[in-house]
Amino acid sequence: DGGITQSPKYLFRKEGQNVTLSCEQNLNHDAMYWYRQDPGQGLRLIYYSQIVNDFQKGDIAEGYSVSREKKESFPLTVTSAQKNPTAFYLCASRQPGTGPTFAFFGQGTRLTVV
Amino acid sequence: GIQVEQSPPDLILQEGANSTLRCNFSDSVNNLQWFHQNPWGQLINLFYIPSGTKQNGRLSATTVATERYSLLYISSSQTTDSGVYFCAAILETSGSRLTFGEGTQLTVNP
Repeated sequence: DGGITQSPKYLFRKEGQNVTLSCEQNLNHDAMYWYRQDPGQGLRLIYYSQIVNDFQKGDIAEGYSVSREKKESFPLTVTSAQKNPTAFYLCASRQPGTGPTFAFFGQGTRLTVV
Repeated sequence: GIQVEQSPPDLILQEGANSTLRCNFSDSVNNLQWFHQNPWGQLINLFYIPSGTKQNGRLSATTVATERYSLLYISSSQTTDSGVYFCAAILETSGSRLTFGEGTQLTVNP
């Protein structure tokens, strides 16, 4: 089945450690996105990529890094520089264009830093 | 970039009631979507609706692009409709940036 997969579902890390969240899609989409959601809040854009080997900062990129070496993969690294990394992280993909182009989301990763 | 605002932020209904959720956006958009976030955090696609009206069962949506707003209608609400409803917009010439509103938290009581 086509879809977008995030792993792991739950992740616990000690303060000061870097951690990488996985996002894989087999929808052949060019664009991929990472969002952060805090309890009771909306989705804030961290990074997005329109095409392989290219990505742009979103609204809250500080303390995060990404890579886009393959079309199907867009991993997010939460670095020790991120001051409050505990949150729900959502990855999405879509095919850019002006026709009907749904964005599809993974099931999310809940990161807890202790 | 595009600004997206949703109202109301919270809505509490009795089962069977109807509701209207609103999404305002600051610029002309190529892509406007409505999502439902379930209690487990999963975002479910409801509508792709940059303009016009669509219906899917008890849900329908209307976007008036010239006036920069979209409405999501829920009729005969059920407890399973509870959750957060988001709208999100893209202006493709701004680089495929998908911008979300803050959401409407809907609670449907039995």
